[in-house]
Amino acid sequence: GQNIDQPTEMTATEGAIVQINCTYQTSGFNGLFWYQQHAGEAPTFLSYNVLDGLEEKGRFSSFLSRSKGYSYLLLKELQMKDSASYLCAVEDSNYQLIWGAGTKLIIKP
Amino acid sequence: IAGITQAPTSQILAAGRRMTLRCTQDMRHNAMYWYRQDLGLGLRLIHYSNTAGTTGKGEVPDGYSVSRANTDDFPLTLASAVPSQTSVYFCASSDSTGGAREQFFGPGTRLTVL
Repeated sequence: GQNIDQPTEMTATEGAIVQINCTYQTSGFNGLFWYQQHAGEAPTFLSYNVLDGLEEKGRFSSFLSRSKGYSYLLLKELQMKDSASYLCAVEDSNYQLIWGAGTKLIIKP
Repeated sequence: IAGITQAPTSQILAAGRRMTLRCTQDMRHNAMYWYRQDLGLGLRLIHYSNTAGTTGKGEVPDGYSVSRANTDDFPLTLASAVPSQTSVYFCASSDSTGGAREQFFGPGTRLTVL
């Protein structure tokens, strides 16, 4: 079956760095996405990885290892507004997104 | 309109009633999707459409139907609502001809079936 695993909840301190991990087993792979979802709102796109390695975009970076079925999202210089759920999704061989349940990130002052 | 709109924002519905959730996008995206999101679960695909005139079944299609008469609109119909269909419903669209097929989401419809 297809499976995306990520931690249910994480807590971090304002100004610190946090890494959110995602492991996947899917039928085919056409890319991995990270989305941010604030409570009561729609998901919004953060990053896309299709090749192994690190993609950096401001305070956010995303890493992919296809051989290990593993990705992480790295958030630096955490701000209170970063409190949200972070969703990992893999595009399978049918070009459909398979979604993880999301990681709720709580930022403390 | 800018992006994707959904209507209604929220709805309380009696079991057995018919309900259509509306979704409209103005980005001329060829692909559109309907998801449901339940607490503790990931987004689950209900139906999708890769282009106007075609639709396909996702992971959880039972009890739902869709149509795609044109590029912009993708309504989702619950023929006879049941309490297990209580959920938040998101419509999304993407330009599937691109490399990174980023999906853009509407604001969601919160549906409660009693």
